[in-house]
Amino acid sequence: DTAVSQTPKYLVTQMGNDKSIKCEQNLGHDTMYWYKQDSKKFLKIMFSYNNKELIINETVPNRFSPKSPDKAHLNLHINSLELGDSAVYFCASSPQGGFNTGELFFGEGSRLTVL
Amino acid sequence: SQQGEEDPQALSIQEGENATMNCSYKTSINNLQWYRQNSGRGLVHLILIRSNEREKHSGRLRVTLDTSKKSSSLLITASRAADTASYFCAPRGGATNKLIFGTGTLLAVQP
Repeated sequence: DTAVSQTPKYLVTQMGNDKSIKCEQNLGHDTMYWYKQDSKKFLKIMFSYNNKELIINETVPNRFSPKSPDKAHLNLHINSLELGDSAVYFCASSPQGGFNTGELFFGEGSRLTVL
Repeated sequence: SQQGEEDPQALSIQEGENATMNCSYKTSINNLQWYRQNSGRGLVHLILIRSNEREKHSGRLRVTLDTSKKSSSLLITASRAADTASYFCAPRGGATNKLIFGTGTLLAVQP
């Protein structure tokens, strides 16, 4: 069973469209994250939720809106897509206390291409 | 910044050789973690070293941490072609205790 799963794996869309990426973890973790990896492999944190509560909100355009319906799910909705949004988006989770100390478990990534 | 900076950016070695990757950071940390990313895949946690530890081993991996120099190194001994991947260090600390990644070291192990 996949521990952290993201869908879709690939997403190709036009500028100006709205799209969502979904993430689910079956590890029982309390904390979930979204990271963005650009073409130079730089991995930047975007958001973090702990038990459905937003705890990290980096300098991200408000076109990006995360939603956590329960602690096992963290979805990312992006409005009015721009060319610069093209990247690989990774979901990750960590256990309670993991936010402070422990390791992250990553999904396989969702490659977004904006044309 | 808290971000780890890996050095070198790319490394190419022959199978059986050892690979050493370095990481520097700027703030105080609680721990430092190393991750591997195979091409087209997600990151996988390799090893975590706490700020009060100086060295840690896990199989063919050896990690060192020098908090006075704010640096860490990852040594992979007897490398294999399957070790080909990008390796990221991620210091955890600073005001928000976030885990911040750099751009990684791309390791290529030639068979």
